[in-house]
Amino acid sequence: SQTIHQWPATLVQPVGSPLSLECTVEGTSNPNLYWYRQAAGRGLQLLFYSVGIGQISSEVPQNLSASRPQDRQFILSSKKLLLSDSGFYLCAWTGQGYEQYFGPGTRLTVT
Amino acid sequence: AQKITQTQPGMFVQEKEAVTLDCTYDTSDPSYGLFWYKQPSSGEMIFLIYQGSYDQQNATEGRYSLNFQKARKSANLVISASQLGDSAMYFCASLWGDSGYSTLTFGKGTMLLVSP
Repeated sequence: SQTIHQWPATLVQPVGSPLSLECTVEGTSNPNLYWYRQAAGRGLQLLFYSVGIGQISSEVPQNLSASRPQDRQFILSSKKLLLSDSGFYLCAWTGQGYEQYFGPGTRLTVT
Repeated sequence: AQKITQTQPGMFVQEKEAVTLDCTYDTSDPSYGLFWYKQPSSGEMIFLIYQGSYDQQNATEGRYSLNFQKARKSANLVISASQLGDSAMYFCASLWGDSGYSTLTFGKGTMLLVSP
């Protein structure tokens, strides 16, 4: 069966520091992968999605970037974090169907 | 612009009763998919149910059913026989055909509290 992992689970970083969040999917090949952010008490905002290695689409211009170095690995990065980057970051995947399956998330606090 | 609207910020229900969570959508695209997700306090988004715009019958998954009224552009989630573990945030979401079914649009969510 397919599983999706995210790490770290929790992160506290100072303003201006770099960021790297990792997402990996097991049990499937060539998934579509997604990064979402959820601000406190709000819905999900799509940040990036990828249909294949090296193929990244950005939905929201900001100081974040994404990369897909391997088929089942999706990385969210920033060179310099802002206070507004705080939130809950969720990675998701889809295979043959339309349903998106989400990972456990990373809670990021920028101080 | 295509949009998902959930008008109920919070709902309360007693255990074992049924509850309906509202969702309306706005699109001129004839091809779309509608989803419901549950987000407990742990934060993980759990897929509950899917309805395609061309599906003739309302989707059902165990205690969850989707009341799909295409003409009214509504896709309400019905939870029968509520349980304490149903207390969570519930999100309605959609995929639009003209975006290549690539990106989910989420509503703002409804917090459901189930009391004993």
